Amino acid sequence: EAQVTQNPRYLITVTGKKLTVTCSQNMNHEYMSWYRQDPGLGLRQIYYSMNVEVTDKGDVPEGYKVSRKEKRNFPLILESPSPNQTSLYFCASSFGQGLEAFFGQGTRLTVV
Amino acid sequence: AQSVSQHNHHVILSEAASLELGCNYSYGGTVNLFWYVQYPGQHLQLLLKYFSGDPLVKGIKGFEAEFIKSKFSFNLRKPSVQWSDTAEYFCATLNDYKLSFGAGTTVTVRA
Repeated sequence: EAQVTQNPRYLITVTGKKLTVTCSQNMNHEYMSWYRQDPGLGLRQIYYSMNVEVTDKGDVPEGYKVSRKEKRNFPLILESPSPNQTSLYFCASSFGQGLEAFFGQGTRLTVV
Repeated sequence: AQSVSQHNHHVILSEAASLELGCNYSYGGTVNLFWYVQYPGQHLQLLLKYFSGDPLVKGIKGFEAEFIKSKFSFNLRKPSVQWSDTAEYFCATLNDYKLSFGAGTTVTVRA
């Protein structure tokens, strides 16, 4: 089954404790991205990757890092999480620009 | 960069009523427009998209959208909603490799 898998689905952590949210897709997609969803703001792009070892900032990259060492994986790293990063995070992938984006199930992160 | 705006934040209607959700995009030129749906507790799914051609676009689950260039609009419609259409709906546009989303419209369908 074609899918984008995120882990964990739910996470509560404390300020400053580094964490990684994993994202994996099994569709051989080149393009992957991370979004955060906040009430009244819709989804905002954090980072995206056009291919292995090619990443770039989205609209709200501050406080986040990503890596793309393999085509299928695109982890989101919060080196020092803060409460304003409490949000619902979605990973997405597609074959390329303009093509349908497939979204993961989401990761609800709470930073206390 | 192009952006989209959705003016209806929350819509409540009864089953069998018709639905229309507004979406406006910011400027002309090449447009790539999408409608996504997010059912409670689930991820986003693509309902339909418009790149060019016939301005009336048919999507899944009985949804359609009409691209009106003169009004900078891409409104989503469904003639008769069901309780299962309760969800949040997002209009989006594509800028290079970035999907830019509107704030979303929550639709509640009462049985």
